Amino acid sequence: GNSVTQMEGPVTLSEEAFLTINCTYTATGYPSLFWYVQYPGEGLQLLLKATKADDKGSNKGFEATYRKETTSFHLEKGSVQVSDSAVYFCALSSTNAGKSTFGDGTTLTVKP
Amino acid sequence: DTAVSQTPKYLVTQMGNDKSIKCEQNLGHDTMYWYKQDSKKFLKIMFSYNNKELIINETVPNRFSPKSPDKAHLNLHINSLELGDSAVYFCASSQRSGGARDTQYFGPGTRLTVL
Repeated sequence: GNSVTQMEGPVTLSEEAFLTINCTYTATGYPSLFWYVQYPGEGLQLLLKATKADDKGSNKGFEATYRKETTSFHLEKGSVQVSDSAVYFCALSSTNAGKSTFGDGTTLTVKP
Repeated sequence: DTAVSQTPKYLVTQMGNDKSIKCEQNLGHDTMYWYKQDSKKFLKIMFSYNNKELIINETVPNRFSPKSPDKAHLNLHINSLELGDSAVYFCASSQRSGGARDTQYFGPGTRLTVL
């Protein structure tokens, strides 16, 4: 079956530091890949997505590139802010599975 | 306008009680889901409905019974609540079931505490 493995947290960074959260996946077929973000006390919301190999998703300064050769979709941001403190979920969706598969989430705390 | 809404936001109840959580989406989506998020933030899918038809039931205890009166609503009824049911429950919707490009839209969550 499909699976998503993401970097264990928690991750604590200082403001303006560089962020990488690793995500690798196992899937049959050609899945789409997503990063969702969950701010404290809220539901998950889409951060970015990529639907085919070599696509780059980007939003709010975050980027992730769909790497089929390494089955990865690592999340990066060049300069994090305190407001980026949240839980980040990597996920994949494939037609044959009929559902999305989520990673375990990585908690990011950014300190001023 | 709220895309996916849930009520109530907080639910505190005693062990053994029966409770319901309601969910509504105004996005015109065909598919709705219930997820359970535990204290470690792990997210686990419970059920999925497509056009009022149950399509995913992830070995959830029979005490949990989803109901979809129409494709815009998906409710979750829980019988004989147990301490281990304490969690945050999220409703979500997507345009199609398992569509490879489908983004899921989540509600704000219902924090259930069983005493």
